Amino acid sequence: GNSVTQMEGPVTLSEEAFLTINCTYTATGYPSLFWYVQYPGEGLQLLLKATKADDKGSNKGFEATYRKETTSFHLEKGSVQVSDSAVYFCALSDWSSASKIIFGSGTRLSIRP
Amino acid sequence: DAGVIQSPRHEVTEMGQEVTLRCKPISGHDYLFWYRQTMMRGLELLIYFNNNVPIDDSGMPEDRFSAKMPNASFSTLKIQPSEPRDSAVYFCASSPQGRDEQFFGPGTRLTVL
Repeated sequence: GNSVTQMEGPVTLSEEAFLTINCTYTATGYPSLFWYVQYPGEGLQLLLKATKADDKGSNKGFEATYRKETTSFHLEKGSVQVSDSAVYFCALSDWSSASKIIFGSGTRLSIRP
Repeated sequence: DAGVIQSPRHEVTEMGQEVTLRCKPISGHDYLFWYRQTMMRGLELLIYFNNNVPIDDSGMPEDRFSAKMPNASFSTLKIQPSEPRDSAVYFCASSPQGRDEQFFGPGTRLTVL
């Protein structure tokens, strides 16, 4: 079945550091891939998405590239800010998951000033 | 757009009491999802609806949980009787198309004493 595996947290970085959160997936078809972010006390919100191989999703300085050959969708940001402290979820959907989105377990990110 | 609206935002109740959580999806969205989030189990899909019809309730933990969607603008998740292990944050999300972006509400934090 479909699944998403993402980097265990928590991840702690200093402000302006480079961020990578790894995500790999297993899917029977050609899934759409997502990164969601959850700020403290809030619901999840879509950060970026990619719908086909080699697509790059980007938003708020974050980027992720859909790599079919490595079944990966790693999240990157060149210079993190304290305001990026949140929990990040990698997710996928495809025809075999019906109308559901399959979420990873989440990675908690803390940024030190 | 007001986004997905959930009420109450916080609920504290005693074991054995009935709890009703409410959700108003974004107008025009055909899909509605109920999730539960805990530290131990992460984010779990409980049930989802398409055009007010329950499609998959395989995530509902037991018969104490029930969900309804009487019309396109309102859904409830009921727990009767409640137990301390039901303590969690419950999220409602809606989507215009099942496998695309989901829009989450702010959640209801439930504490069962």
